[in-house]
Amino acid sequence: EVQLVESGGGLVQPGRSLRLSCAASGFTLGGYEMSWVRQAPGKGLEWVSYISSSGSLIYYTDSVKGRFTISRDNAKNSLYLQMDSLRAEDTAVYYCAREVASTFSYAFDYWGQGALVTVSS
Amino acid sequence: QSVLTQPPSVSGAPGQRVTISCTGSSSNIGAGYDVHWYQQFPGTAPKLLIYGNYNRPSGVPDRFSGSKSGTSASLAITGLQAEDEADYYCQSYDSSLSGYVFGTGTKVTVL
Repeated sequence: EVQLVESGGGLVQPGRSLRLSCAASGFTLGGYEMSWVRQAPGKGLEWVSYISSSGSLIYYTDSVKGRFTISRDNAKNSLYLQMDSLRAEDTAVYYCAREVASTFSYAFDYWGQGALVTVSS
Repeated sequence: QSVLTQPPSVSGAPGQRVTISCTGSSSNIGAGYDVHWYQQFPGTAPKLLIYGNYNRPSGVPDRFSGSKSGTSASLAITGLQAEDEADYYCQSYDSSLSGYVFGTGTKVTVL
């Protein structure tokens, strides 16, 4: 059974850092592209960052560029999101999601349960 | 800010058919990128409902169907059931943003 389990969320002050982890099981992480997607309280879904299966290609949404860093350790079946210089507007539930290819794009076929990050003083 | 626009809400009686539109532009849906749809219940992670415009993952009832034309896509739910009451999101890729984009989300209410 495919499972994605996020950890590392919590309450953090503005300007501080937090690192999210996503443990994958039931499949070989190294065979898949992965993304982080977030959802602010009461709001819609927002894609945050993408990493290719090997880790050689990485993309971010504009609002987190220069502050967030996505990485992966395929040997440990783990995905990470290092979040620095956190802002109140980064408050959200953060999901890690596995990508599956369609003809012209990728969909997210499995999601973790989410990790709540609250940025507040 | 979402670049894919959906109606905030749609509703229907049990057994009826409802549709949810997803309107994009020439840099996403209109550029030929596939549209995918997700179902989300309160407090839970989204679930993939339709991928590649019209394909259903294993286990998704055939009451759910997707289509795409031009710069828009649609999700149809036929034979609406109480258990379909949830939020629905479309998703695609945007070449001008170099990233994935989601729709604004639609809440489906079963009357």
